[in-house]
Parts: sequence; C-alpha cells; structure tokens
Amino acid sequence: AQKITQTQPGMFVQEKEAVTLDCTYDTSDQSYGLFWYKQPSSGEMIFLIYQGSYDEQNATEGRYSLNFQKARKSANLVISASQLGDSAMYFCAMREYNFNKFYFGSGTKLNVKP
Amino acid sequence: EPEVTQTPSHQVTQMGQEVILRCVPISNHLYFYWYRQILGQKVEFLVSFYNNEISEKSEIFDDQFSVERPDGSNFTLKIRSTKLEDSAMYFCASSVRLAGTSYEQYFGPGTRLTVT
Repeated sequence: AQKITQTQPGMFVQEKEAVTLDCTYDTSDQSYGLFWYKQPSSGEMIFLIYQGSYDEQNATEGRYSLNFQKARKSANLVISASQLGDSAMYFCAMREYNFNKFYFGSGTKLNVKP
Repeated sequence: EPEVTQTPSHQVTQMGQEVILRCVPISNHLYFYWYRQILGQKVEFLVSFYNNEISEKSEIFDDQFSVERPDGSNFTLKIRSTKLEDSAMYFCASSVRLAGTSYEQYFGPGTRLTVT
C-alpha cells in the first residue's frame, strides 16, 4: 500500500486565490510527522511546513497552512493568496517515528495563472 | 544560512562505469540521506546514514550502491556499475538528531545523473 497518496497530478489556480493540495497517508504508527516540500522547475526541494501527529492545532507558515484531519488521515496543504512564484511541484511526505526515512507522494504540479 | 551542497550538478557516464556523487551536509547535522527522483516521478528513499553506518535502506539500494563518509564533511554515494535505469536526479539530505519526528530534512540541489 502507498504510504502517501496525492491524487491531483496537476492543478490550476488564479493568482491571488487560495488553493488546496490533497494528501492522504497510511500508517499504523501513532507517532509520525507530515511534511510538504516545494520543487520548482530548477529542481531543488524546499521545505514548506510540518505537522506532528500529536499537534492539536493545524500548522501555519506564512501563506501556507496544513489542514490536518487525523481521523481521515489527510494532511492537505492550503496556499492562500497564490503568487506566480508558487508554480511548482508540491510533494507531501511522512516520517514514522520508528523509521529514519521519508516517504514521498507522487506530487502535484501547481500552475498559477495571472 | 547553512545549506547542503552537492557536486557535480550534472554527471554523464557510460553504462557499466562507476560514479561517485558527492555531498556536503550541513555541518552540525548527524543524519544523512540519499534519495533519487527519476524524471517525472516521485522522490524515492535510498538510504539513511548515522554514526558511520547505514541505519536504513530501501530495496532500491542493492549491492551496486554504497555510501561513505570519508572525512568529517563529505558524504558520498557510489554506484559501481551504472545501468540505464540509474538515470535520475539524486538528492542528498541531512537533518539534526532529534527524538521523535519533528525534524525536517534539508535537501541539496541534486545531481542529475545521465547514463548513456
């Protein structure tokens, strides 16, 4: 079974609007962390936001917020007020407590239209 | 701001040749990782390394692969006999040692390996 599932291969959003990128995960661990990374066309991986499984509040970092629904095992990324520079691939990732590696989803390519 | 660096940025090699990809992790980090990303596909874990030994590896990381920390700063990935399917972007990452799950991995810019 896939540890991380991103069902949206591509998304379009109008500049200045908000967009939600979906991520669901699969784990039997009680302790885990969820991460979102941005990969621009230049190829580097940029950390955006983290959510711990025991965090009661949704994580926020500037224009990024994570809609964490533990019972549904979803960790959607919300980008508010989209900018042209947000156009990139976005990867959801998970680390389980007992394992020293990240599982990545297949990514969502976001295109922000002017 | 400290960053992970990787060299070379692009490596072209012939099938069957050995390649060594180099990484300099962030200086106070203790965990090191290699990932690969075949063009257009997701990032796949290869191996993690701590205290001079492999702590985890994936099924991709077979006997053709090895990692080494030859000195206090470099972390290398060696592919002994490259195959066409090894063509990918290879990312090095590092993280501080923390209990629990709340650490992020800092990724390098990647090395694009092309096997011809």
